[in-house]
Amino acid sequence: QQQVKQSPQSLIVQKGGISIINCAYENTAFDYFPWYQQFPGKGPALLIAIRPDVSEKKEGRFTISFNKSAKQFSLHIMDSQPGDSATYFCAASTNDYKLSFGAGTTVTVRA
Amino acid sequence: NAGVTQTPKFRVLKTGQSMTLLCAQDMNHEYMYWYRQDPGMGLRLIHYSVGEGTTAKGEVPDGYNVSRLKKQNFLLGLESAAPSQTSVYFCASRIGTGVYEQFFGPGTRLTVL
Repeated sequence: QQQVKQSPQSLIVQKGGISIINCAYENTAFDYFPWYQQFPGKGPALLIAIRPDVSEKKEGRFTISFNKSAKQFSLHIMDSQPGDSATYFCAASTNDYKLSFGAGTTVTVRA
Repeated sequence: NAGVTQTPKFRVLKTGQSMTLLCAQDMNHEYMYWYRQDPGMGLRLIHYSVGEGTTAKGEVPDGYNVSRLKKQNFLLGLESAAPSQTSVYFCASRIGTGVYEQFFGPGTRLTVL
């Protein structure tokens, strides 16, 4: 079974809106939580990542919120643009550097 | 730099046939990984390598073999393909200890009939 549970499976947002994707985990040994972005026909690419010693990390319009006690983390895409339409994967890793991926969320931004 | 490249991009096999997928990276990365991506399941680790000449099993290794004879190349083999191995295969590489980021190739779409 997947070690990282991701929701929703898909979402549609209007241009300028906020997209929110949630992930939950059980393994408290996870110490690295990245988000990968994948466009159709391409490989995943690292978008943003967080370590458990901080509760939030922001890079441009993308923000990770991390709740260690709840074992949850989320990706917020502010001012969503059509170019953000892609599949987003959350993941987690222990210090063995092996990534466990969520199932993915397909985001569609309507102009 | 080309980054991580994969060949072929597409392949159709019949059940029982064999094939090898090639991954190459020009970033001098120590670690390399093979994943498969299936709808609704994210990416699952098949095998990985922590350096030239080493290989190790990941989450779903059955039916696959790998080799890393050269640091820049990581080969994934299917000895007797099965329809359950129809998937998109991604290779990734990572520079080394202390750095988590993995760089992914463009993928190989494999269909087994």
